[in-house]
Formats: sequence, structure tokens, C-alpha cells
Amino acid sequence: DAGVIQSPRHEVTEMGQEVTLRCKPISGHDYLFWYRQTMMRGLELLIYFNNNVPIDDSGMPEDRFSAKMPNASFSTLKIQPSEPRDSAVYFCASSLHTGTGKNIQYFGAGTRLSVL
Amino acid sequence: GENVEQHPSTLSVQEGDSAVIKCTYSDSASNYFPWYKQELGKRPQLIIDIRSNVGEKKDQRIAVTLNKTAKHFSLHITETQPEDSAVYFCSTTDSWGKLQFGAGTQVVVTP
Repeated sequence: DAGVIQSPRHEVTEMGQEVTLRCKPISGHDYLFWYRQTMMRGLELLIYFNNNVPIDDSGMPEDRFSAKMPNASFSTLKIQPSEPRDSAVYFCASSLHTGTGKNIQYFGAGTRLSVL
Repeated sequence: GENVEQHPSTLSVQEGDSAVIKCTYSDSASNYFPWYKQELGKRPQLIIDIRSNVGEKKDQRIAVTLNKTAKHFSLHITETQPEDSAVYFCSTTDSWGKLQFGAGTQVVVTP
């Protein structure tokens, strides 16, 4: 398996524009997570899905952020409108719930977002 | 919700010395404790983990210990090498597999 695939790897946009980040989880995994990483706030969980259903979106900072998972192999994180303070690295991760309590998350390479 | 505290935030060690990172957590239901390593510009990657029914686990030069009663766990790196330089994150997971990360420790190994 190629692992978790994110696109684009880098995104530079202007304030007010819509940004869409994409993620393809590892095939067969039933959990998908979106994180944001900044120097100031570290790694923050934004939202996660189980079997394509959003379970906890309490980490989504504002209504400008939305995430969808239309099927088991694809998810998007959208920011509309974007602001300079959204600049960060956004990671997607997936895991398989084994029932043993050991749920290893595998991270994608991340999308580095710069909002000017 | 779960709160994971990690110390120190930065750690500078001489090559060959040991490094220890400590974490505490608040949710007594936490049952799985993975450690992630993130090299500069790269993604976090799992390096070692421990489950709540185990007190210690070792994998070559790295080891983790867990004290469930005190709610703290630690990462130990022995005989550090320059390639150990990275940010290390402790984390806990609940039964849903949701990770709560510590703030990270920047480890710098100087030759």
C-alpha cells in the first residue's frame, strides 16, 4: 500500500480564497483523522471519521472549516474563506480499529498551507 | 477531555548519552500509549508503543515505561546518535482510537 496520500503537498493562496485539501486513507482503514500543526499550538486534532461518518468535530476552529468523507477512500478538508492565521501544515491520518485497543495511526506527508 | 503534558520541551544531549522524555495524562480510561517521532519537514511516525497491561517495553535503543497508577509514562533513548534528533510526541488513545498528543520534545543530539 502507498500509505496515506495527501494532496496538494504545498498550497499558497490569498486571503479570502477557498482552499480544499484532499486525503486518501490506507485501503481498509476505518478511521480517518485531520490534524493541524503549527509552532504555537502543536498538533491539533480537527475532526475524525469512523466508517465515513464524522464522530468528533470539536477541534474544528470555526465555521470556515468543513470536512467531508463521501466514501471510504477519500476525504476533504475545506477552508472558506481562508485567513493568514490558517497557515499551517495539515496532516491526514488513518487507522484500523482492531478491537485490541492498539490503534496505530499512519500519517500522510501533509499539506503545507500558506495564506497570504 | 484528556490532557497530556510532556516534558521537557527541548532536550540537548551529547552523542552517546541517554535521553528521557516524560509525560503525564489525566484520563484513567486511556489504554494505549504510542510515541511518535517527527523529523524536520516530515510526518509523525510511530516508533514504539505500550499498552496499559504492560509496564515496560524495549526495542533496541528505545524503551518506554508506564505507571498507570501515577498516570505517567516515559520514553528512554540510550546511546543517542545524530539521527535521533527530532521532535518526539507522546500520546494516549481512548477506546475510539482518538489520539491526544503531548506538546512535543525537540531532541538535539550533538556530536
